[in-house]
Amino acid sequence: AQSVTQPDIHITVSEGASLELRCNYSYGATPYLFWYVQSPGQGLQLLLKYFSGDTLVQGIKGFEAEFKRSQSSFNLRKPSVHWSDAAEYFCAVLRGFQKLVFGTGTRLLVSP
Amino acid sequence: GAVVSQHPSWVICKSGTSVKIECRSLDFQATTMFWYRQFPKQSLMLMATSNEGSKATYEQGVEKDKFLINHASLTLSTLTVTSAHPEDSSFYICSTKGEEGDTQYFGPGTRLTVL
Repeated sequence: AQSVTQPDIHITVSEGASLELRCNYSYGATPYLFWYVQSPGQGLQLLLKYFSGDTLVQGIKGFEAEFKRSQSSFNLRKPSVHWSDAAEYFCAVLRGFQKLVFGTGTRLLVSP
Repeated sequence: GAVVSQHPSWVICKSGTSVKIECRSLDFQATTMFWYRQFPKQSLMLMATSNEGSKATYEQGVEKDKFLINHASLTLSTLTVTSAHPEDSSFYICSTKGEEGDTQYFGPGTRLTVL
């Protein structure tokens, strides 16, 4: 069965420092992968997605993610974190044509 | 993308009453919408897939008689929590597929508290 693992429950990064959030998936075929961000008490906002083609995808708010088939990973990165980036980040894989399977999420804390 | 709204944003009700949550696709005609449930500090779990003009498809373990879903138009799906109990307290989020057909866009969520 398809699944998504986010090994870090929470991460603290200093403002201005770089960020990498890890995501590993298990899926037999080429996966459709997503990163969403959720601010407290809010819904989810799509940051970026990967379906095929260039393995480095650019998203909104300065985020990017790299698909690595050999490592079954789709890690999210940002070169310089802002305090407003503090939120919960979810990696997800599309199962079949409709069902999104989410990871457990990583809470990002940004220190001054 | 797609813009999705939910109403209400939060609701408090007494145990045993029913609560209806609306999910609207504001700029896109959505034949399919999805309902998720999220417990505090946990991930989202798909409850059901709402199909316009037909019965919803429920995930395993979700009581269809308790969580009634109606998708009567291309812009509105409703989730009714019947005979709500405190254990139904949760954050309910809906989503719709955008024009691309393979990306889901989420509403802002509804916080349900059952006393």
